[in-house]
Amino acid sequence: EPEVTQTPSHQVTQMGQEVILRCVPISNHLYFYWYRQILGQKVEFLVSFYNNEISEKSEIFDDQFSVERPDGSNFTLKIRSTKLEDSAMYFCASSVNRLNTEAFFGQGTRLTVV
Amino acid sequence: AQTVTQSQPEMSVQEAETVTLSCTYDTSENNYYLFWYKQPPSRQMILVIRQEAYKQQNATENRFSVNFQKAAKSFSLKISDSQLGDTAMYFCAFMNGASGTYKYIFGTGTRLKVLA
Repeated sequence: EPEVTQTPSHQVTQMGQEVILRCVPISNHLYFYWYRQILGQKVEFLVSFYNNEISEKSEIFDDQFSVERPDGSNFTLKIRSTKLEDSAMYFCASSVNRLNTEAFFGQGTRLTVV
Repeated sequence: AQTVTQSQPEMSVQEAETVTLSCTYDTSENNYYLFWYKQPPSRQMILVIRQEAYKQQNATENRFSVNFQKAAKSFSLKISDSQLGDTAMYFCAFMNGASGTYKYIFGTGTRLKVLA
């Protein structure tokens, strides 16, 4: 069964460093999302992406964050200069189209900023 | 702004018994969707059940059913004949059908443990 895959499963980075989280959505899906979950808190929406541009972003998604679909299969989240408070589980998700409300999630990347 | 509240951080149930997970939400919208997602340990979130707000009939999927009380803004999940494989984190989620963005708003989750 097709699934969303995320790499790496765990990333440790120094504060101030750039980090790129990678996702391969399901191949026929058109809508892509990033969510994050700080330990012990709720899963929060970061950004949605469609037709090679951002559809919506939350207030969390500031200038330090960017997303890209560089090659038609990968969907990446870049954090330019990581802060301690960026430590969280980051989930990628994709959906077929916006009329189909079910999103398929990856296993997540645990980002630890030290 | 919409919010989702899950008031039970942890629950446990004996195998083969029934358990109900609570979820309440707040919205002024009339067109929306509600979901329960399950996240087994070290696995991805998968959709358990979905309810369209315009449908009065409660959704069911095999052993999983919901009690959707629109006026009370309540959306509880009932798991019947609980199995060990139901052990997971369960997230309630809301989606505003009128906004056009199709993002989820999640609750904090309920960790369910099924006991042998």
